[in-house]
Amino acid sequence: AQSVAQPEDQVNVAEGNPLTVKCTYSVSGNPYLFWYVQYPNRGLQFLLKYITGDNLVKGSYGFEAEFNKSQTSFHLKKPSALVSDSALYFCAVRGNRDDKIIFGKGTRLHILP
Amino acid sequence: DAGVTQSPTHLIKTRGQHVTLRCSPISGHKSVSWYQQVLGQGPQFIFQYYEKEERGRGNFPDRFSARQFPNYSSELNVNALLLGDSALYLCASSLVRGVLEQYFGPGTRLTVT
Repeated sequence: AQSVAQPEDQVNVAEGNPLTVKCTYSVSGNPYLFWYVQYPNRGLQFLLKYITGDNLVKGSYGFEAEFNKSQTSFHLKKPSALVSDSALYFCAVRGNRDDKIIFGKGTRLHILP
Repeated sequence: DAGVTQSPTHLIKTRGQHVTLRCSPISGHKSVSWYQQVLGQGPQFIFQYYEKEERGRGNFPDRFSARQFPNYSSELNVNALLLGDSALYLCASSLVRGVLEQYFGPGTRLTVT
């Protein structure tokens, strides 16, 4: 069965510092991996995806994520955090056998001024 | 260009009632998926529709049903509402089935009292 784990409920980072939001996954076959961001009272916004190829994926708003097959991880990163990055972040996975996307429970990111 | 739109924005219903939620995908998108997001959790997959046919179903009871119309808009119906159905219901559209990028609407906040 497909699953996604986001081990941290909340991550606090000082503005200007690098940030990492962790995600591990379990899926049969090759994974398709995603990160979405959700601002208060808003729907989800797509940040980036990994399908195949380069393990470092670049996405919107300066975010990037690193796919690590041996550790089954897909951590979200940004070199320098902004206060406006404060939001709820979801990691998601889709197997290559159906269209169902499984989301993690989310990590709340607080960027401190 | 208009994104995914959902109506209504908010809805309050009583236990046992029926509710219909509506979604209009991005113009040209033929696939619509529905997700339930309970407070504090990640979205859970309910249905996917493509070309007016159900292409995927999550682990939800038969009280939940959906359909897609010739113009690719979609309705989610929930019968015999329970308190536990209170959630944010998200609609996502994608160009075709199997396309990995899904674009989410702002959601409908359903409260069951």
